[in-house]
Order: sequence, then C-alpha cells, then structure tokens
Amino acid sequence: DIQMTQSPSSLSASVGDRVTIICRASQSISSSLNWYQQKPGKAPKLLIYAASSLQSGVPSRFSGSGSGTDFTLTVSSLQPEDSATYYCQQSYSTPGFGGGTKVEIK
Amino acid sequence: QVQLQESGPGLVKPSGTLSLTCTVSGDSISSNNWWSWVRQPPGKGLEWIGEIYHSGSSNYNPSLKSRVTISVDKSKNHFSLKLSSVTAADTAIYYCGRKRNSGSNSGAFDIWGQGTMVTVSS
Repeated sequence: DIQMTQSPSSLSASVGDRVTIICRASQSISSSLNWYQQKPGKAPKLLIYAASSLQSGVPSRFSGSGSGTDFTLTVSSLQPEDSATYYCQQSYSTPGFGGGTKVEIK
Repeated sequence: QVQLQESGPGLVKPSGTLSLTCTVSGDSISSNNWWSWVRQPPGKGLEWIGEIYHSGSSNYNPSLKSRVTISVDKSKNHFSLKLSSVTAADTAIYYCGRKRNSGSNSGAFDIWGQGTMVTVSS
C-alpha cells in the first residue's frame, strides 16, 4: 500500500499570496500524481493530473510539480474562490488520497 | 457533457447492506474508463472504495474488500455498489466517479457525481 501524506493540514493566507501544498508518497510513484479541489458540499474537482498538467478549464494560477516521492501544488496568486480543501491522489497503483489541506483566506 | 448520478437509500440499518447505483449519461459505460466509488465520512478525507471496468474486471480497497461488491449493467449504462455488514463507521457521503484509463490523464478521476449521504443507524 502506498501512503500519501500532505502538509500542512491547514493554512491561512491573504488574497494575492503564493501558496504551496506538499504531498509525499511512501514510495516512488513516478509522475502518477493528481490534485483535486473540494469546496464544502461539493464533489472534488480535478485540477492537475500527471503531476504537472493543468486540467482543461482550470485557472493558470494553479500549477503542480514533482516526481518520485515529493510533489507540490502551487497557487501563484490566491483568490477568494480558492478557499477549499485540496487533496493529492496517487495513480501509480490502486488509488489512494492524501489527508487533505484546508486553505482559508485571511 | 458527461454526468454521473448516485441513487439509493439514505439510511441503512447496522449489519445491513448498503446499495447504491451510479447512472452514467453522456458517455458509454463500455468506454475505456474505470468506474469507481469513493466515500467521505463527515468532516474527513476521501477514501477510495473500488472500481470496475465494463468487462467486469474489478479492484477493491484491501481494507473493505471482504464487504464490497461492485457490478456493472451495460444495458442500463450504470454501475452499482454493495457494502455488507455496515456499521456507523460506514456513514459517509458516497461519490461515484470516472477514472481515465488511457491518455496523459490516465488514473485521474475527471468526472464525479454530486455525492449521496448514507447514514448507518437503527
């Protein structure tokens, strides 16, 4: 079983800030890493696939990087509508999700 | 556009069987995708339950495997989840999702249902 660990579990930032979320895998998963955004009462929404590819329709302020065991999701300029919980998911083997990072706007 | 819609009872008794169906529109269940179930206990994170391919091939989360069955009905373009011997710990929002099986986004869940809340209680 591949374990996915996200940090921090929560953060608070101001509009316009650069925000980075980290996801670590317990073993190498190459670039088989996806990121999702979930707002309260809604289903998750795919943001980034294959570690760094932007899903169609997702704002370009979102970006992903990394390979192997260490990955990051970056929001270059935080907007009010980015308040949400973000999850990473490995697709190297049977799917597994990280514990989530709640992003709040100051 | 592709849409998924979960349906089924919102309340299940302890030790009973949870049964949900996900109806797919805008795509064929025989397309090259895995059809999946993911759940989320109140206030907690996402847990993958399992998936099925139109051929009938399936994969399950090892922690739930002994209690889970996922099936597909190609004639109705839907797939179903059965979870047996439920307890309060199975109370959650249950989502169905499409997991891509080819292309650069292979392995990603690109389409999700809206989710359905299932409570286990007597």
